[in-house]
Amino acid sequence: NAGVTQTPKFQVLKTGQSMTLQCAQDMNHEYMSWYRQDPGMGLRLIHYSVGAGITDQGEVPNGYNVSRSTTEDFPLRLLSAAPSQTSVYFCASTNRYNEQFFGPGTRLTVL
Amino acid sequence: GESVGLHLPTLSVQEGDNSIINCAYSNSASDYFIWYKQESGKGPQFIIDIRSNMDKRQGQRVTVLLNKTVKHLSLQIAATQPGDSAVYFCAEVNAGKSTFGDGTTLTVKP
Repeated sequence: NAGVTQTPKFQVLKTGQSMTLQCAQDMNHEYMSWYRQDPGMGLRLIHYSVGAGITDQGEVPNGYNVSRSTTEDFPLRLLSAAPSQTSVYFCASTNRYNEQFFGPGTRLTVL
Repeated sequence: GESVGLHLPTLSVQEGDNSIINCAYSNSASDYFIWYKQESGKGPQFIIDIRSNMDKRQGQRVTVLLNKTVKHLSLQIAATQPGDSAVYFCAEVNAGKSTFGDGTTLTVKP
């Protein structure tokens, strides 16, 4: 199993650009989530999904969209990037025992 | 509201000593807690968990203690090794959503 994979690993955007952060898992987990981690801080939940076709907002959803068309994939879209969205983004999937498995992260810089 | 916080942002120990990392939580209804380890440039890694019907849970070299009376968690690492150097987060989980504290940076001195 590859576990949770994320692409790209690094990205630089200009203010106003849009992009999609990809996340995929091969563990057949129903629950997936996106977090952002700012320097020296813990992770904050952006959006989550309890299964294909179902998504919901987390703690800091503004400026981000998600979709869940398959169990495996959970992309995160930045609609119009802002410098405040400079962060490290982690995708995670959760098994039925509530164990979360995190991807390696995407480091995003918005200029 | 929910919040999970750690008492100390940094902790420095000698190799071979035991480490204790503390965490306070505010949601008395929380029934599941996880400790994560995050090494530089990597995502958080699950270490150990505990449910609210337990006071103590042991793993390999790690022990988690839960005191529901004062809403306090601790992570004990026995015989700390250089490879244990990382940032440690506690998190409370509700309906699959984790709320993280800000983390404690553990540095192990040789």
